[in-house]
Amino acid sequence: DGGITQSPKYLFRKEGQNVTLSCEQNLNHDAMYWYRQDPGQGLRLIYYSQIVNDFQKGDIAEGYSVSREKKESFPLTVTSAQKNPTAFYLCASDQGYYGYTFGSGTRLTVV
Amino acid sequence: AQSVTQLGSHVSVSEGALVLLRCNYSSSVPPYLFWYVQYPNQGLQLLLKYTTGATLVKGINGFEAEFKKSETSFHLTKPSAHMSDAAEYFCAVSVMNTGFQKLVFGTGTRLLVSP
Repeated sequence: DGGITQSPKYLFRKEGQNVTLSCEQNLNHDAMYWYRQDPGQGLRLIYYSQIVNDFQKGDIAEGYSVSREKKESFPLTVTSAQKNPTAFYLCASDQGYYGYTFGSGTRLTVV
Repeated sequence: AQSVTQLGSHVSVSEGALVLLRCNYSSSVPPYLFWYVQYPNQGLQLLLKYTTGATLVKGINGFEAEFKKSETSFHLTKPSAHMSDAAEYFCAVSVMNTGFQKLVFGTGTRLLVSP
């Protein structure tokens, strides 16, 4: 079945450490997105990509970086510059007007 | 700029009662509107969407929503709540930019269902 796979499901980061969250899709979608979810704040857009080798900052890009070297993959790196990284991270993709397909999320915790 | 307001961060109903989750949008162009459901520690699942045509939209799990342009609303309803409906629900509006869709989400409404 087609879908989006996020890994790992749980991730722990030490202070000053960079970590990378994986997002892979086999839906052949052009556009991919990363959202951050915090309690009571809904979903906030971090980065998005319309095509391979191109990506744009969203509303809260500071402290994050992405790459889009393959259509299927859109990894997110949470850098040490992100001072409050504890959150639930969601990856999504879409192909036009049909709404997004979401992955099952990665919960990142600072220890 | 397009935006979405969900009234009520929490809604409580009894099993078998009507479910009504409110969503109002702001958009300078005809909107595409969506409702998503999220169960704990999971991603979001599309419940239903309005693009064009019929203003009453039916979705999965017995949910439906009506697009009312005059009220700028897209409220989600279900005639009879089940325990399994307990989850968080997000309304979203689509922002189109040169054929590229970006969704703007509301802050969510948590539905609590009691026996």
